[in-house]
Amino acid sequence: GAGVSQSPSNKVTEKGKDVELRCDPISGHTALYWYRQSLGQGLEFLIYFQGNSAPDKSGLPSDRFSAERTGGSVSTLTIQRTQQEDSAVYLCASSTGTRGDEQFFGPGTRLTVL
Amino acid sequence: AQKITQTQPGMFVQEKEAVTLDCTYDTSDPSYGLFWYKQPSSGEMIFLIYQGSYDQQNATEGRYSLNFQKARKSANLVISASQLGDSAMYFCAMRERTQGGSEKLVFGKGTKLTVNP
Repeated sequence: GAGVSQSPSNKVTEKGKDVELRCDPISGHTALYWYRQSLGQGLEFLIYFQGNSAPDKSGLPSDRFSAERTGGSVSTLTIQRTQQEDSAVYLCASSTGTRGDEQFFGPGTRLTVL
Repeated sequence: AQKITQTQPGMFVQEKEAVTLDCTYDTSDPSYGLFWYKQPSSGEMIFLIYQGSYDQQNATEGRYSLNFQKARKSANLVISASQLGDSAMYFCAMRERTQGGSEKLVFGKGTKLTVNP
């Protein structure tokens, strides 16, 4: 079956612009995660969605970052007024939501802020 | 304090030999899970193996095995019969609770493995 997909694969934007990153989880997976991978910080948790519950936003680095998940499936991560330090690879993962179940990752979106 | 420590930034191994990638972790939660992921140059994170804190036996998945030493808080990955395609970054990760009450993976800095022909 299809894995986690993300779009776009690459995004170059100018400082101050808003960007939207999309994630399509594996069908039937109720849990969805966003992570950020950068050279300086490694892999960092950003946000977690589980079914229809309120998302866990405890990893978002600033209020410029937001995410939503429509219909319990597709998720969009939005970064407003992008800064150069936002440049990173943004990874999405999904799982069945069962404790201990592995997270399946998408190919990531490489964001470059000029 | 770092929760997951991978002390080997880079490792080299000859094709067909075995290699051990080190991982130590820090947690006070008696229930936790440890994961290993492989990240080739293409960038995708590929799940390799999982070890639960209450599992009695070391996890194995094909050529991958996890040397779990609970008292030492170590979860080393052993790759047997290395192949050229094993060249990649390898990340050790631990499941832990977030401030918001859910769960997340906390990753180590990774080890870059190079398999030589």
